[in-house]
This record gives sequence, C-alpha cells and structure tokens, in this order.
Amino acid sequence: EIVMTQSPATLSVSPGERVTLSCRASQSVRYYLAWYQQKPGQAPRLLIYSASTRATGVPARFSGSGSETEFTLTISSLQSEDFAIYYCQHYNSWPPWTFGQGTKVEIK
Amino acid sequence: EVQLVESGGGLIQPGGSLRLYCATSGITVSNNYMTWVRQAPGKGLEWVSVIYRSGSTYYVDSVEGRFTISRDTSENMLYLQMNSLRVEDTAVYYCASGADYYIDSWGQGTLVTVSS
Repeated sequence: EIVMTQSPATLSVSPGERVTLSCRASQSVRYYLAWYQQKPGQAPRLLIYSASTRATGVPARFSGSGSETEFTLTISSLQSEDFAIYYCQHYNSWPPWTFGQGTKVEIK
Repeated sequence: EVQLVESGGGLIQPGGSLRLYCATSGITVSNNYMTWVRQAPGKGLEWVSVIYRSGSTYYVDSVEGRFTISRDTSENMLYLQMNSLRVEDTAVYYCASGADYYIDSWGQGTLVTVSS
C-alpha cells in the first residue's frame, strides 16, 4: 500500500496570501495524483487531477505540480471561501488508492 | 449534471449487516469507476472500494471479505453490502464516481453508526 503524507497538518494564513501545500508518496505514483477540497459538512470537491490539471470550474488561483513522489498544491491568493481541508489522493496502478491525512487551511 | 444520492445508513449493532444504496443520474454506472469512500467522525477520507467498468472489484484490506460492492446497470444503482460490522466502521459513507480513476463526482454521504 502506498502511503500519502501531507504537510503541514494545519496552516494558518491571512486572506490574500500565497499558500503551498505538500503531499509526498511513499513510492512513485508517476503523475496519478488528485487534490480535493472539503468544507465542513460538505462532500469533497475535485480540484486537480493528473497532478496539474484543474478540474472543470476550479479557479485559476489553484495550481498543482510535481511527479513521482513529491507534489504541491498552490493557492496563489487565498480567498475567504478557500478555508477548508485539502486532501491528496493517488490513483496509480492498483487499489487501494489512498488519501493523505489532509491539511487544514485556517484563518490566521 | 451528475447526481449521486446515498441511502441506507443508520445505527447498527456490532456484528450486524447493512446495505448502502447509491442512486445515480447523469452518468452510467457501467461506464464509470464507481467508488465508496468513508470518513470517520472528525477524521480524514478513507478509500473503501471500487468497481471498474469491467466489473472487477477491489477493497481496502480492513473491509476485504466483509464488504461487497456491486452495481445494477438496469437501475443505474451502486450498492455496498456491509457484513460483520465493527465499531471502527462508523463513518459517513460517500458514493463517488469518475470517468477515470480519480473521483470527479461525490454524493452527500450517508452516516453509518456501529454501536451497542
């Protein structure tokens, strides 16, 4: 099983700041990496797939990068609606397609 | 527009069985990767099971042999049969789908509580 590790666990930021979230895989997942956003009481929402492709309707301030074992989600200028928990998930080869433990982005 | 609506959750005693249902619209279950993901209270997301377009099924180790994912292509429904339930199976269960292996659509979830 591939273990996904996200850092930091919590990020305290102010609106307008640039935010960088990290996700590391215990072995290569090539570019088969997705990012999801989850707000309290809601289902997750797909933001990024194939490591760097924005999903339909996702604002351009969200971008993804990386390959193999190191990945990054960047929010160029944090908006109030972006305060949420962010999860990475690999979908390389065979299941289980594990999630990271999440990074909570909270208001500073 | 894709809609996934889960039902069947509730309170069940340890060792009991429950069947979850996912009614779909806007997709064809046989043409998508249909997945169940769960989230224990206050915890992160855990991938549980997937059924491929081919009908092949896979499970996380902790539910292997106890849970069964299936679909009804005529009704466009997805199911999760859960047997020998444990306290640690308590979670919100999400039905999810994707044209590729990643998940691009999610239901709102159904809560399963395993407790005596």
